[in-house]
Amino acid sequence: DAGVIQSPRHEVTEMGQEVTLRCKPISGHDYLFWYRQTMMRGLELLIYFNNNVPIDDSGMPEDRFSAKMPNASFSTLKIQPSEPRDSAVYFCASSSARGTQYFGPGTRLLVL
Amino acid sequence: QKEVEQDPGPLSVPEGAIVSLNCTYSNSAFQYFMWYRQYSRKGPELLMYTYSSGNKEDGRFTAQVDKSSKYISLFIRDSQPSDSATYLCAIISGSARQLTFGSGTQLTVLP
Repeated sequence: DAGVIQSPRHEVTEMGQEVTLRCKPISGHDYLFWYRQTMMRGLELLIYFNNNVPIDDSGMPEDRFSAKMPNASFSTLKIQPSEPRDSAVYFCASSSARGTQYFGPGTRLLVL
Repeated sequence: QKEVEQDPGPLSVPEGAIVSLNCTYSNSAFQYFMWYRQYSRKGPELLMYTYSSGNKEDGRFTAQVDKSSKYISLFIRDSQPSDSATYLCAIISGSARQLTFGSGTQLTVLP
């Protein structure tokens, strides 16, 4: 298996633009997690899905953030409009029901 | 108070040294304890996993949990330059799926 796949790996955008981050979990995993990592706040859980259904989105910082999982092999995290303080590394992770979370390589987002 | 506090580092040691990385936690409901290793510009990867008080060894790595003190440690023996990375403790309660991470300790092992 290729592991968790994220795209793009790097994104540079201007304040106010829409940003869409993509994730393909490991096949057979039914949990998917979105995290954000910054120097100031460390690694924070934003939202997680079970069987494509959002279970806990209490970590989503604002209404500008939204996440979807239309099927078992794809999820998106969207920021609209983006702001400079959204600059961070965004990780997607997946796991089976009782398993370890496997992380993707991350998307480095810079909002100018 | 954060649910998980981790010694921030950074930590720099000579090759061959014993390294001790530490975290404390506040919630007694936490039952599973993990250490993740994150190389620069990579995602975290699970290093060790334990759920009981005591020690668990895996090669040069030992994870230690003291539930009475709410204290967890990772020891690295005979440290190598390839161990240079950020180490994150992560804790989860039995019923939840969410990991709560420490802030990470950046380790550099000098050849």
